[in-house]
Amino acid sequence: GENVEQHPSTLSVQEGDSAVIKCTYSDSASNYFPWYKQELGKRPQLIIDIRSNVGEKKDQRIAVTLNKTAKHFSLHITETQPEDSAVYFCAASKGTSGTYKYIFGTGTRLKVLA
Amino acid sequence: KAGVTQTPRYLIKTRGQQVTLSCSPISGHRSVSWYQQTPGQGLQFLFEYFSETQRNKGNFPGRFSGRQFSNSRSEMNVSTLELGDSALYLCASSSGGGTEAFFGQGTRLTVV
Repeated sequence: GENVEQHPSTLSVQEGDSAVIKCTYSDSASNYFPWYKQELGKRPQLIIDIRSNVGEKKDQRIAVTLNKTAKHFSLHITETQPEDSAVYFCAASKGTSGTYKYIFGTGTRLKVLA
Repeated sequence: KAGVTQTPRYLIKTRGQQVTLSCSPISGHRSVSWYQQTPGQGLQFLFEYFSETQRNKGNFPGRFSGRQFSNSRSEMNVSTLELGDSALYLCASSSGGGTEAFFGQGTRLTVV
């Protein structure tokens, strides 16, 4: 069945260092890959997304890379700050005809140590 | 533009009871999805509705059901509650496939 594996489950980095979170998906028809950040007690919010026709996308300190052949995508956060501490979820979706289904990874708890 | 609104925010129910949760999507969004969030299990997909039709369903027992109304508002029902149903239930709305899903603040259900 459809599955998204996410690693690591927890990640601690020093402020200013980089953080990398990796996801692997099983459904080769997936064509949309969003990343969500969930701060404690808050709702998940989209931070970046990538579509299957693009290999890399960057937004300031955040970047996502996609390897369709390996069915693998990663989130890269550079120059981490304490406010980056949160749980991050990757997801894979194959939206067609106005409908979609997101399969989420199990999340990565990122702690940025000051 | 108002965001996704879920009611109620908190619920405490007894085993065996049933519960109905409500989700009002962003105006113009026709797709509403529901997720169960528990520690260690991440966000598990329950089902998705589009134009009043259930288009996708996750691997949950038949005790979990939902519906969508003509104004795109959606409800989720859980019958014969079990202790393991205690979780944060999130809904998300979207304008369609391959677009950002906006989450509500969730309903925290506690089954005692």
